[in-house]
Amino acid sequence: DTGVSQDPRHKITKRGQNVTFRCDPISEHNRLYWYRQTLGQGPEFLTYFQNEAQLEKSRLLSDRFSAERPKGSFSTLEIQRTEQGDSAMYLCASSPSGRGTYEQYFGPGTRLTVT
Amino acid sequence: GDSVTQMEGPVTLSEEAFLTINCTYTATGYPSLFWYVQYPGEGLQLLLKATKADDKGSNKGFEATYRKETTSFHLEKGSVQVSDSAVYFCALSDYGGSQGNLIFGKGTKLSVKP
Repeated sequence: DTGVSQDPRHKITKRGQNVTFRCDPISEHNRLYWYRQTLGQGPEFLTYFQNEAQLEKSRLLSDRFSAERPKGSFSTLEIQRTEQGDSAMYLCASSPSGRGTYEQYFGPGTRLTVT
Repeated sequence: GDSVTQMEGPVTLSEEAFLTINCTYTATGYPSLFWYVQYPGEGLQLLLKATKADDKGSNKGFEATYRKETTSFHLEKGSVQVSDSAVYFCALSDYGGSQGNLIFGKGTKLSVKP
């Protein structure tokens, strides 16, 4: 399977704990995106990488959130001091660069539940 | 800022009925438009896309035409099947804007009954 993969698929944590999610994009894709989706809503953009450079961050990405893509391949999204409002599905997507249509391929998501 | 508005669901249809899901957008630039589908228990999949005015995207019997004059990208299918039951998301990417991140509507849940 050469699609986008995410790990873990589900995470339950207690309020105040830190969590880290991993995304492995399609191997030849330079661009990597993180989105958050809450129940009944469409995905909302969080941040974007071009290779290892983080080029854009949404205002949704508070100081408790940090994302990295150290070697331009996989990416991690860390949430520190989790709050109940962080409960959501976290989606990763990747895209090749050089194409104008910005077609993005999504992973299955990591569902976070903060108790 | 840019935004997408799509008709609220849920939409319930009988098999072989005609489907329309309305989508309108607001954008400062010249966006590309997309329909994504999320089947139960699965991730988002691109259904179809259109990159400029009057383009028609099509896939699996679904069609949508990029209408700049009405800022719309309505999804249609002539005869739905039970297997089309899913949540459909309209989205845009502002080519001239940030870096191509997608802006989604809230989604429309479609249920097709046999």
